[in-house]
Amino acid sequence: QKEVEQNSGPLSVPEGAIASLNCTYSDRGSQSFFWYRQYSGKSPELIMFIYSNGDKEDGRFTAQLNKASQYVSLLIRDSQPSDSATYLCAVTGDYKLSFGAGTTVTVRA
Amino acid sequence: NAGVMQNPRHLVRRRGQEARLRCSPMKGHSHVYWYRQLPEEGLKFMVYLQKENIIDESGMPKERFSAEFPKEGPSILRIQQVVRGDSAAYFCASSPPDSPIDTQYFGPGTRLTVL
Repeated sequence: QKEVEQNSGPLSVPEGAIASLNCTYSDRGSQSFFWYRQYSGKSPELIMFIYSNGDKEDGRFTAQLNKASQYVSLLIRDSQPSDSATYLCAVTGDYKLSFGAGTTVTVRA
Repeated sequence: NAGVMQNPRHLVRRRGQEARLRCSPMKGHSHVYWYRQLPEEGLKFMVYLQKENIIDESGMPKERFSAEFPKEGPSILRIQQVVRGDSAAYFCASSPPDSPIDTQYFGPGTRLTVL
């Protein structure tokens, strides 16, 4: 079983819609959870982190964490063409980030 | 304030040569991490270093790969006798000391191509 799994995608959404990305993890000792965005050929860019159960909002992005279900998600509201990228879920219990394979999002204009 | 710096951005080596990848962490950051991203694969942890100390190298291949973070200067990831399978993007990340969340910020990466 992979440590971190993401919905495989690709995910195509129309401009202005909500993009919903899901991630599950296997290590119950995980404490911190991150979402990174990676444009093709570029490096991962931190979007958000969350470490408490519940929702965390930052602009058009909302991260949701449910430790009992070992589930973390990212919602992108009012999706823009510039949001087209691969989104990486990362989980850590100490310092070592374990990444999912990523979900590629395409926002159609 | 400069972010994480990596050089070179692109590196081409022939099989059997050595590759040296450099990483300077963000100002004020003392923790450095190296990750590798193989084509069409996810990012994999390689090594975690603090100044003059290797904290965790559990993700490093047992042979040909080494890393250091000297008291002065950048962190170096060294790959000896490169093979085609070493072709990948190598990313360095850094985090500040005593950060409760260990948020890691990534550099632009070095794309290694082995001919």
